[in-house]
Amino acid sequence: KQEVTQIPAALSVPEGENLVLNCSFTDSAIYNLQWFRQDPGKGLTSLLLIQSSQREQTSGRLNASLDKSSGRSTLYIAASQPGDSATYLCAVKVGTGNQFYFGTGTSLTVIP
Amino acid sequence: EAGVTQSPTHLIKTRGQQATLRCSPISGHTSVYWYQQALGLGLQFLLWYDEGEERNRGNFPPRFSGRQFPNYSSELNVNALELEDSALYLCASSLRRTGKDGEQYFGPGTRLTVT
Repeated sequence: KQEVTQIPAALSVPEGENLVLNCSFTDSAIYNLQWFRQDPGKGLTSLLLIQSSQREQTSGRLNASLDKSSGRSTLYIAASQPGDSATYLCAVKVGTGNQFYFGTGTSLTVIP
Repeated sequence: EAGVTQSPTHLIKTRGQQATLRCSPISGHTSVYWYQQALGLGLQFLLWYDEGEERNRGNFPPRFSGRQFPNYSSELNVNALELEDSALYLCASSLRRTGKDGEQYFGPGTRLTVT
């Protein structure tokens, strides 16, 4: 069974800092990996999707990388802002059953 | 373009009752997924529907069931509610049944409280 781990569980940084969130998964046979943000009590907002054949994706201040062989992905956030405060989740899609496995998330607080 | 919608926003039931949650996918999406997010736990996959059929289910008892309608909207039913069923239930949709580019889009969720 695929297991997805996110480290750290919580992170607090001052505004303007660059930061990295980590996601690791146990089975490298994935179709893709998706990063989401979740605001308290809300649904998930898709940030970036990386296909298994890709190494990275970028959107604005966000950059996500994927290293399938080592079972790792990172989400880089440049010049963090208070509005970035949320829980960030990564999810990997496996072929069988089209199922996504989610990590438990990193709670990010950006201090003004 | 409208996103994934879910109703109701909040639902309060008593133990033993049945709950029905609804989801409308993004127009053109044929796959609908249901997830449970209980307090302190991560997102757990519940069910996947595509083209009107259940394609996969997670490790949940049979009292969790659902269906997908011809217009691709979906319903999640939880029978014989237990206190531990209290959670945020999230619905997601994607464009393709299988394949590598099945990006998921999530709705705002239904908060189910069982008393």
